[in-house]
Amino acid sequence: QVQLVQSGAEVKKPGASVKVSCKASADTFTGYYLHWVRQTPGQGLEWMGWINPLSGGTNSAQKFRGRVTMTGDTSITTVYMELTRLKSDDTAVYYCARGERSYSPDLDWFDPWGQGTLVIVSS
Amino acid sequence: DIQMTQSPSSVSASVGDRVTITCRASQGIRTSLAWYQQKPGKAPKLLIYAASSLQHGVPSRFSGSGSGTDFTLTISSLQPDDSATYYCQQANSFPPTFGHGTKVEVK
Repeated sequence: QVQLVQSGAEVKKPGASVKVSCKASADTFTGYYLHWVRQTPGQGLEWMGWINPLSGGTNSAQKFRGRVTMTGDTSITTVYMELTRLKSDDTAVYYCARGERSYSPDLDWFDPWGQGTLVIVSS
Repeated sequence: DIQMTQSPSSVSASVGDRVTITCRASQGIRTSLAWYQQKPGKAPKLLIYAASSLQHGVPSRFSGSGSGTDFTLTISSLQPDDSATYYCQQANSFPPTFGHGTKVEVK
């Protein structure tokens, strides 16, 4: 069964960084791209970027470039998303999700999703 | 970025009713559209991809249609379990973008 299990909620101060983890089943980790999508009350669902867990290759939306880093650890089939220079409007639920179209990670749809990680940015 | 506009923002209907949700793209996206269902406190779930293909395990009362800029999600016979927010998402032009959602309430 495909599963994506994310780390727990975080509370951060403005200017800090947060690193969210997403543990995938072995077949998902080796055969698919993993994406990060966040959900905010104001902006709704926003695609942030993807990582190829085996190669470490990544791509991200222009909005997040320079602030987001996606990495993976093959030994524990886990990917990470780190967001730096946090602002209050980064308060959101962050999801990892498996890409369905392995040939087109930039233009993909997503299933399944992890359970989500709430990140609160507040002074 | 391509803007995705959903209508209505909310709908209330009775069990057994036919419900239709519309999604309009700010430019043509061929059939590169997905629909998701999200229940409170849960992650989105993929229902439809490529505008009209039903994801495995999704009940056949859900269907999708459209191409270019105009798309619809139809629930043919609304069930109590369908109470949720539904989102469309385009996958034709980088970056992928989502609509703002349609909340479906079952009376």
